[in-house]
Amino acid sequence: KNEVEQSPQNLTAQEGEFITINCSYSVGISALHWLQQHPGGGIVSLFMLSSGKKKHGRLIATINIQEKHSSLHITASHPRDSAVYICAVRGNQFYFGTGTSLTVIP
Amino acid sequence: NAGVTQTPKFQVLKTGQSMTLQCAQDMNHNSMYWYRQDPGMGLRLIYYSASEGTTDKGEVPNGYNVSRLNKREFSLRLESAAPSQTSVYFCASSRDRRNEKLFFGSGTQLSVL
Repeated sequence: KNEVEQSPQNLTAQEGEFITINCSYSVGISALHWLQQHPGGGIVSLFMLSSGKKKHGRLIATINIQEKHSSLHITASHPRDSAVYICAVRGNQFYFGTGTSLTVIP
Repeated sequence: NAGVTQTPKFQVLKTGQSMTLQCAQDMNHNSMYWYRQDPGMGLRLIYYSASEGTTDKGEVPNGYNVSRLNKREFSLRLESAAPSQTSVYFCASSRDRRNEKLFFGSGTQLSVL
């Protein structure tokens, strides 16, 4: 069973498009994390949130605790946004989704 | 600031060989973790250390041992490597349970033949 489900698994977009990646989870959590894994393999943390909405540049993350759902939005997408985006939740341990592979075409 | 430094980046082993993956962080973090990443699966926790001097098993600890040498360093040892341990390994750290923003090392690609 997967405690964290992401959709879509793969996403191709044209430069400039608005992108949404979804994350649903089935456990009680204290926080939800969005991570970015670059083609070279390195992983960086984008957001950590427990309620509401956070914004950093062109990235916006939202969470609905009641519905156990989070979204990551990218506005005005750019080829440099091409990466795998991973949703992780903090329950009694960290649970990770399998990632959404995003390709932004110039 | 180096953040989390993980070595080596690549390693090829024969079945039965042993090796140690090294991890060090310079952010004065209390918690450190070892994960493995396999195709089609999310990151899975092998071992973690909530603070210096403590270690606990994660989801997939079999075949691994760890040492929290001091606050900075957390090593992962494969005593007798098996092909099932072919994976990408990530070390990570976080300040503590109240602030668990994760910082990751660059990963180790391990192949066991």
